[in-house]
Amino acid sequence: EPEVTQTPSHQVTQMGQEVILRCVPISNHLYFYWYRQILGQKVEFLVSFYNNEISEKSEIFDDQFSVERPDGSNFTLKIRSTKLEDSAMYFCASRGQGLSQQPQHFGDGTRLSIL
Amino acid sequence: DQQVKQNSPSLSVQEGRISILNCDYTNSMFDYFLWYKKYPAEGPTFLISISSIKDKNEDGRFTVFLNKSAKHLSLHIVPSQPGDSAVYFCAAISSNTGKLIFGQGTTLQVKP
Repeated sequence: EPEVTQTPSHQVTQMGQEVILRCVPISNHLYFYWYRQILGQKVEFLVSFYNNEISEKSEIFDDQFSVERPDGSNFTLKIRSTKLEDSAMYFCASRGQGLSQQPQHFGDGTRLSIL
Repeated sequence: DQQVKQNSPSLSVQEGRISILNCDYTNSMFDYFLWYKKYPAEGPTFLISISSIKDKNEDGRFTVFLNKSAKHLSLHIVPSQPGDSAVYFCAAISSNTGKLIFGQGTTLQVKP
């Protein structure tokens, strides 16, 4: 069964450094998402991406965050200058064409630890 | 953001019995609801969903019930199996936005 893959599984970064989280969505999917889960809290929506542009973003997704689909397979989340509060699990998700109610399929996440 | 709430952080049931996980929501614009299951060190896995125009959807051992007037949904697992032990997330979505809004999750433990 096709799956969403994320790399790395764990990223440790010094505060103030840039970090790029990588995702390979399911190949025929067109809608892409990033979510995060701070330890002990809910899974929170960050951003959705379709047709090479951001469809929607949350208040969390400020100017320090950006997303990109640099080629036909990868979908990346960049944090330019990391803060301690960016420490969280980051999940990438994708879904196929059609109604927005189609289930999103998630990767196993990247654990980001900011020191 | 308390639009989707799962008030029980944990639930423990005996193998073979029914597990009932509950979820409440506040936003009447939600028109689709999903349940995800999550094992440690893995991402959420889609389990079952229901449209707001229905009150029940069944898939094998899993049934989701929706009570729109009460803004409440529940997931029934019967019979429960030890492999069902995981965190279960309720999520909601509205047609005009693709984002999922999650509840806090309920940790289910099924004892052999």
